[in-house]
Amino acid sequence: DTGVSQNPRHKITKRGQNVTFRCDPISEHNRLYWYRQTLGQGPEFLTYFQNEAQLEKSRLLSDRFSAERPKGSFSTLEIQRTEQGDSAMYLCASSLGTGSSSYNEQFFGPGTRLTVL
Amino acid sequence: QKEVEQDPGPLSVPEGAIVSLNCTYSNSAFQYFMWYRQYSRKGPELLMYTYSSGNKEDGRFTAQVDKSSKYISLFIRDSQPSDSATYLCAMILPYNFNKFYFGSGTKLNVKP
Repeated sequence: DTGVSQNPRHKITKRGQNVTFRCDPISEHNRLYWYRQTLGQGPEFLTYFQNEAQLEKSRLLSDRFSAERPKGSFSTLEIQRTEQGDSAMYLCASSLGTGSSSYNEQFFGPGTRLTVL
Repeated sequence: QKEVEQDPGPLSVPEGAIVSLNCTYSNSAFQYFMWYRQYSRKGPELLMYTYSSGNKEDGRFTAQVDKSSKYISLFIRDSQPSDSATYLCAMILPYNFNKFYFGSGTKLNVKP
């Protein structure tokens, strides 16, 4: 399978615990995005990377959230001290960015569904 | 007020019907418009994208953009049960092609 993969697919945790999700983008894609999608809502942009550089972060990304993309390949999203409001689907997408002012299709992974009890 | 508004549905139609899905938006600067389909517990997949105003057709799908009314539509002809999914519109501002603004999605059910 050459699409975007995310692990784990489901995560159940207790409030206050830390969780980490992984995203493996399509291999030649240099841009990687994280979104959060709550039930009945569309995806909300969290952050994006161009290679290993994190270039934009949404105000939704509180200081409990941290994302990394070492070596510009896979990415991890960590949530510290989880809260019940963090329960959502966390989607990763990747694209082949060819410029700063042109449209590039984002390909989405299947998501990681987080439930905070 | 959300920047992109979309009726959540659900919308239930018989097989073969023409389906019309719509989004409105508040920021006239939006320039690229996309429609994604999302099956239950899956990630969104791109159906179509259009630039600025006008129509674009791809098989049974037609996307329309009316920038003067800040209104976009997706039409599905000869709908099939396999079209049952949530349809999300998304938009991009011209100065930031990396940040997509999504609507909340419309859930479509096509009954056999």
